[in-house]
Amino acid sequence: DTGVSQNPRHKITKRGQNVTFRCDPISEHNRLYWYRQTLGQGPEFLTYFQNEAQLEKSRLLSDRFSAERPKGSFSTLEIQRTEQGDSAMYLCASSPRTSASYNEQFFGPGTRLTVL
Amino acid sequence: KQEVTQIPAALSVPEGENLVLNCSFTDSAIYNLQWFRQDPGKGLTSLLLIQSSQREQTSGRLNASLDKSSGRSTLYIAASQPGDSATYLCAVKYDGQNFVFGPGTRLSVLP
Repeated sequence: DTGVSQNPRHKITKRGQNVTFRCDPISEHNRLYWYRQTLGQGPEFLTYFQNEAQLEKSRLLSDRFSAERPKGSFSTLEIQRTEQGDSAMYLCASSPRTSASYNEQFFGPGTRLTVL
Repeated sequence: KQEVTQIPAALSVPEGENLVLNCSFTDSAIYNLQWFRQDPGKGLTSLLLIQSSQREQTSGRLNASLDKSSGRSTLYIAASQPGDSATYLCAVKYDGQNFVFGPGTRLSVLP
């Protein structure tokens, strides 16, 4: 399977714990995006990487959230001191190296986080 | 503020019907618009991508149109099947690298 993969698929944690999610994009894609989706809503943009550089961050990304893409390949999203409001589906997408206007995004299956 | 809305929020049709899903956006300065399908608890599957210079795109039974001046896109599904049941999301790309998503239309096609 050469699509975007995410691990774990499900994560249940207690409030106050730290969690880390991983995303492996399609191999030749240099752009990587993180989104958060709550029930009944569309995904909301969190952050964007071009290669290893984090170029955009949403105001939704509080100080407790950090994302990295150290070698320009896989990415991790860490949430520190989780809160119940962090419960959501976290989606990763990647996009190939093309002009800015042709940015078709390909999504992974998501990681569903439940904070108890 | 750049907002994307989708109407209707939910739709139930009998198998075989043709149907139209609507997407509206407030800022017409878009780069492109992408339609996705999402099955319950799953990620998003890309259906069609329309560039700002294009008026429509077709893939099989799906046809998406784009009218930038009125801030609208429609997704037309011909001869609907129960397997088409899912949530359909539109996403608009503006300057920058993020997409702004609508809330989706939940479609049920009844056998």
